[in-house]
Amino acid sequence: GEDVEQSLFLSVREGDSSVINCTYTDSSSTYLYWYKQEPGAGLQLLTYIFSNMDMKQDQRLTVLLNKKDKHLSLRIADTQTGDSAIYFCAETPDSNYQLIWGAGTKLIIKP
Amino acid sequence: GAGVSQSPSNKVTEKGKDVELRCDPISGHTALYWYRQRLGQGLEFLIYFQGNSAPDKSGLPSDRFSAERTGESVSTLTIQRTQQEDSAVYLCASSSASRTGELFFGEGSRLTVL
Repeated sequence: GEDVEQSLFLSVREGDSSVINCTYTDSSSTYLYWYKQEPGAGLQLLTYIFSNMDMKQDQRLTVLLNKKDKHLSLRIADTQTGDSAIYFCAETPDSNYQLIWGAGTKLIIKP
Repeated sequence: GAGVSQSPSNKVTEKGKDVELRCDPISGHTALYWYRQRLGQGLEFLIYFQGNSAPDKSGLPSDRFSAERTGESVSTLTIQRTQQEDSAVYLCASSSASRTGELFFGEGSRLTVL
């Protein structure tokens, strides 16, 4: 079945770039999403990319999609303490409303 | 309201009691999801409602779990005869029909079963 994989933790220094990676198995994915969950809160949509795009940039966020390798990444430039959160990757298969979720990557910021 | 509202935000109950969790989706959102998130874990799908269609209950872990939604409004998730393993945060999310992957989440209901 469909699967989405993420590393569980990423630790970066404040001011550096963070790169959070995700791999997925469903080649029919139409949209791929990044959601952010701050401590004690629900998830919020951060950004998304359509499957026919390679890259999407939004201020400090850059999403890269390698459809051949089924690899998605989220780069956060100039990482700040407010970026501390869990980042979830998710995809929607072509014929299904359901999102397939990764387990989430906890981003830890070192001073 | 402007966002998805869930209540109660915290619930502590004794093993064996029934609990009811409520979700108020964003007005006009036809799709509504319930997820369970155990401490330090990812999202576990429970149930999905879309308009007046039959709900997708494939994620409900046992017959102690049930959920209802009237039309496109409030939903309630009921857990009967609670067990300690039911302790988790229960998240509700809604989306519009045209943008099904863009979910708006509530803050969650934290359930602790003693």
